[in-house]
Amino acid sequence: AQSVTQLDSHVSVSEGTPVLLRCNYSSSYSPSLFWYVQHPNKGLQLLLKYTSAATLVKGINGFEAEFKKSETSFHLTKPSAHMSDAAEYFCVVSDRSGTYKYIFGTGTRLKVLA
Amino acid sequence: DTGVSQNPRHKITKRGQNVTFRCDPISEHNRLYWYRQTLGQGPEFLTYFQNEAQLEKSRLLSDRFSAERPKGSFSTLEIQRTEQGDSAMYLCASTQLVLEGYTFGSGTRLTVV
Repeated sequence: AQSVTQLDSHVSVSEGTPVLLRCNYSSSYSPSLFWYVQHPNKGLQLLLKYTSAATLVKGINGFEAEFKKSETSFHLTKPSAHMSDAAEYFCVVSDRSGTYKYIFGTGTRLKVLA
Repeated sequence: DTGVSQNPRHKITKRGQNVTFRCDPISEHNRLYWYRQTLGQGPEFLTYFQNEAQLEKSRLLSDRFSAERPKGSFSTLEIQRTEQGDSAMYLCASTQLVLEGYTFGSGTRLTVV
């Protein structure tokens, strides 16, 4: 069975400093992994996806993530935080059976300080 | 392509009443999913349709819950005899290519009083 652990429920950074949101996964086969962002009262927006191609994945708004099989990790990074990055971030592993349903982590709330 | 649309955005209902939510997916997307998100948690899978066929239901989906997707277009999620524990955000998502990720709607927030 697949699962996802987001290691920090809250992260605070200053504007202009790097962002690191940590995610570890468990999967019995080669996983498909995603990061989604959720702004208050908005739907979930896809930031980036890993589907067994390049291990370093670039997404929207300057975010990227690196798939590390040996560490079972898929951490999300951004070199320089912007105020608009403040939101909830979810790491997701996809069931690769016919359903391809998502298993979400519990989320990391990112706060960006001026 | 106007995205995934969900209606209503908010619903307040009294315990014991029935409620129905609607989801209009992106028109060419054959896969449609419903998720439930409670405060401080990640979304949890409820059910999945491929075209008009409901192919999987979570154990979270008690017999008070029913979902349909007639003709493989829009979908409805009905909750009968609502309980306070049903209060949550109900999210709909659709996709054509699973490895490309889902597109989510903005959700319907249900409050049962």
